[in-house]
Amino acid sequence: QKEVEQDPGPLSVPEGAIVSLNCTYSNSAFQYFMWYRQYSRKGPELLMYTYSSGNKEDGRFTAQVDKSSKYISLFIRDSQPSDSATYLCAMGGGRDDKIIFGKGTRLHILP
Amino acid sequence: ETGVTQSPTHLIKTRGQQVTLRCSSQSGHNTVSWYQQALGQGPQFIFQYYREEENGRGNFPPRFSGLQFPNYSSELNVNALELDDSALYLCAIGMGGRSYNEQFFGPGTRLTVL
Repeated sequence: QKEVEQDPGPLSVPEGAIVSLNCTYSNSAFQYFMWYRQYSRKGPELLMYTYSSGNKEDGRFTAQVDKSSKYISLFIRDSQPSDSATYLCAMGGGRDDKIIFGKGTRLHILP
Repeated sequence: ETGVTQSPTHLIKTRGQQVTLRCSSQSGHNTVSWYQQALGQGPQFIFQYYREEENGRGNFPPRFSGLQFPNYSSELNVNALELDDSALYLCAIGMGGRSYNEQFFGPGTRLTVL
């Protein structure tokens, strides 16, 4: 079982829709959870950073962490064509102090 | 504004050659991590430097080595290049020597090994 599982997509949704992106993980020691956005041929850009379980909201973005289920989500409200990118989940704080990334989900917002 | 820069942006090497990639920022962050991102994959942790010392390493062979300088800029060196080393190489800066502190990525160097 991989430490972090993320559906690679692609996921296509119409403009204005709510987007839900998810990751599951197996290492219960993870405490820090991040979502990055990566445009084609660019470096990842940090979108959301959360510690432990709970919700965090920033503008159109909401990150949720459910440690009991080992499941994290990113919601994007009022999606825009400019949100089209690859979204990477990442987590860390385990024993070896490494950040582990998911494979990324390719998202297409259709105008 | 962290202003992470990486050079070069692209390069092509042949199998067996050596390559040096560079990373710098203007922000004074004292921790730098390097990642390898193969096509269609998430970044994989190579190693981290904190205050000029290696501070953690992923599952990469010793032919991947690095340096961090007093101004916190960094180099990644790869010897004896293999075809599978073709990837986007990313550096990320942070603070405090902990990899799970917030990190800010550079644009990457795309390496092609022929």
